[in-house]
Amino acid sequence: AQTVTQSQPEMSVQEAETVTLSCTYDTSESDYYLFWYKQPPSRQMILVIRQEAYKQQNATENRFSVNFQKAAKSFSLKISDSQLGDAAMYFCAYRILYGGSQGNLIFGKGTKLSVKP
Amino acid sequence: DAGVTQSPTHLIKTRGQQVTLRCSPKSGHDTVSWYQQALGQGPQFIFQYYEEEERQRGNFPDRFSGHQFPNYSSELNVNALLLGDSALYLCASIDSGTSGGPGYEQYFGPGTRLTVT
Repeated sequence: AQTVTQSQPEMSVQEAETVTLSCTYDTSESDYYLFWYKQPPSRQMILVIRQEAYKQQNATENRFSVNFQKAAKSFSLKISDSQLGDAAMYFCAYRILYGGSQGNLIFGKGTKLSVKP
Repeated sequence: DAGVTQSPTHLIKTRGQQVTLRCSPKSGHDTVSWYQQALGQGPQFIFQYYEEEERQRGNFPDRFSGHQFPNYSSELNVNALLLGDSALYLCASIDSGTSGGPGYEQYFGPGTRLTVT
């Protein structure tokens, strides 16, 4: 069974600094997607960044980037120039691919990120 | 363009009762997934509906059932409520036309907070 592990329940970063959130996963599949979602106190899950497993190049979205190590099954999120609005729960997620089906998301337990002014 | 909407926002029920939660997908989306997020945990997949049929199901008992209507909106029903059913229930919608491609994304609603006493 596929699993996603986030080993850091809480992290803290100073405003304008850089922070890295860790995620490891377990799967026997070769093709899949990995995601980082942000969940602020408003509760709405917001997609931060997406990585296709068949792509070796790490995904980047503005201040957010990932370090995808397929062999190690590691998928960390780096947030540069942290802002107060980055404070939230961050979830790493893996998407199963079943032929023509949509596939559901498997989430880790999350990392609570605090940003200090 | 309205995103994913869910109702009600909060709900309090008593053990043994039944509850119905509602979700309207993002405009143009035809697939709806439901997730349960217990306090301090990541979301867990309940089931997914496409073309008014349940297409995938997670590890949840038959007390959890759903429905999808011709306009793609969906309901989640939970019978014989247990204290352990207290959670945030998230609905996510998908455009099936993006499945398997780089445009794939699950758009989440703000959730319904269910408390069972």
